[in-house]
Amino acid sequence: SAVISQKPSRDICQRGTSLTIQCQVDSQVTMMFWYRQQPGQSLTLIATANQGSEATYESGFVIDKFPISRPNLTFSTLTVSNMSPEDSSIYLCSAIGADSYEQYFGPGTRLTVT
Amino acid sequence: KNQVEQSPQSLIILEGKNCTLQCNYTVSPFSNLRWYKQDTGRGPVSLTIMTFSENTKSNGRYTATLDADTKQSSLHITASQLSDSASYICVVSGGGADGLTFGKGTHLIIQP
Repeated sequence: SAVISQKPSRDICQRGTSLTIQCQVDSQVTMMFWYRQQPGQSLTLIATANQGSEATYESGFVIDKFPISRPNLTFSTLTVSNMSPEDSSIYLCSAIGADSYEQYFGPGTRLTVT
Repeated sequence: KNQVEQSPQSLIILEGKNCTLQCNYTVSPFSNLRWYKQDTGRGPVSLTIMTFSENTKSNGRYTATLDADTKQSSLHITASQLSDSASYICVVSGGGADGLTFGKGTHLIIQP
């Protein structure tokens, strides 16, 4: 199994600023992802974090707003740029284990933008 | 359009009682169906994964069923405990993690 940690666990940010969320996995994984979960809603995939290359974004999400890095197999960052109150959400890091079957989730980062 | 519908949206039961959560999906192609438990303030944790050929899978007091013909799944919780209070999310995979379709979840509250 894989254990995923995220930092920070929560933050309150001002409109117009940016926040970088870190994701660390305790074992090698094949794929890493970033999701957003708004209150009372299901998870929405933001992007697939690709090691050493640009992330693959889902429809409605763009690199300028959500730049993502994945410098190695077990670490990724998501930046929420030029934040607005609409960005208030929980951001979850996820990874598929080396067995390429089980998908694990981090504890999430609760972001509030004022 | 791929969709996963869960019912009920929320449920309150007394500790020790059993309950069943439902999941209907219209995802195609189908690879597997997963049930996750998400405690408040935590990320989802996998309970079961079922492929097309599996129609039941258990994980302790949790038993999931799958009817691939009717595209329905259920999660049965036996002898509920206070720690079962959480959201239960049904996720259907069409192959590859980017092909996951998430349900909105059932919010379960266990009362003493």
